[in-house]
Amino acid sequence: QKEVEQNSGPLSVPEGAIASLNCTYSDRGSQSFFWYRQYSGKSPELIMSIYSNGDKEDGRFTAQLNKASQYVSLLIRDSQPSDSATYLCAVMTGGSYIPTFGRGTSLIVHP
Amino acid sequence: DAGVIQSTRHEVTEMGQEVTLRCKPISGHDYLFWYRQTMMRGLELLIYFNNNVPIDDSGMPEDRFSAKMPNASFSTLKIQPSEPRDSAVYFCASSHGLAGKSDTQYFGPGTRLTVL
Repeated sequence: QKEVEQNSGPLSVPEGAIASLNCTYSDRGSQSFFWYRQYSGKSPELIMSIYSNGDKEDGRFTAQLNKASQYVSLLIRDSQPSDSATYLCAVMTGGSYIPTFGRGTSLIVHP
Repeated sequence: DAGVIQSTRHEVTEMGQEVTLRCKPISGHDYLFWYRQTMMRGLELLIYFNNNVPIDDSGMPEDRFSAKMPNASFSTLKIQPSEPRDSAVYFCASSHGLAGKSDTQYFGPGTRLTVL
């Protein structure tokens, strides 16, 4: 069974700090990796996707993928209170278009 | 593009009643997904369609749940009869279903179902 694990948190960081969110997955055949942000009462919103090992940067967000160690992480630089949300990690196996979602990590950025 | 549309944001019904949730995917997307989200179980995939055909309904919890996709622009999820434990937020999502950037899923706003 494919599993995606995330620490449920909450992860609390001060405004301006770097928030680091981690995700591990069990299926070595996984090829597509996504981070979704979900504000309370809202739907998941894609913020990053990554497909190859290494780092991918988009503004204040950096996704890091290490397939050998089977983990993917999301770094949020200069964290803002508006970043407070639950972050869902999703993993997709090659050839399948069905993502497996983690339970999410709650992030709180306090002023 | 208007995104995935779930026009009903809140649905309240009584135990034993039939409830139908509706979804309009993004035009041109070949895949449609129904999810249920609760605090206890997180985001669960119930069923997905490819080109209007149900491919995997193994996530549907019971025979009380059924889903249809009569055409490329409309899908329904029906619960009959509904029970209080069905109370959750039901999301519809769609994607192109192609490898790479096109495999991203886009979620609708969700329908919060409350069964009294």
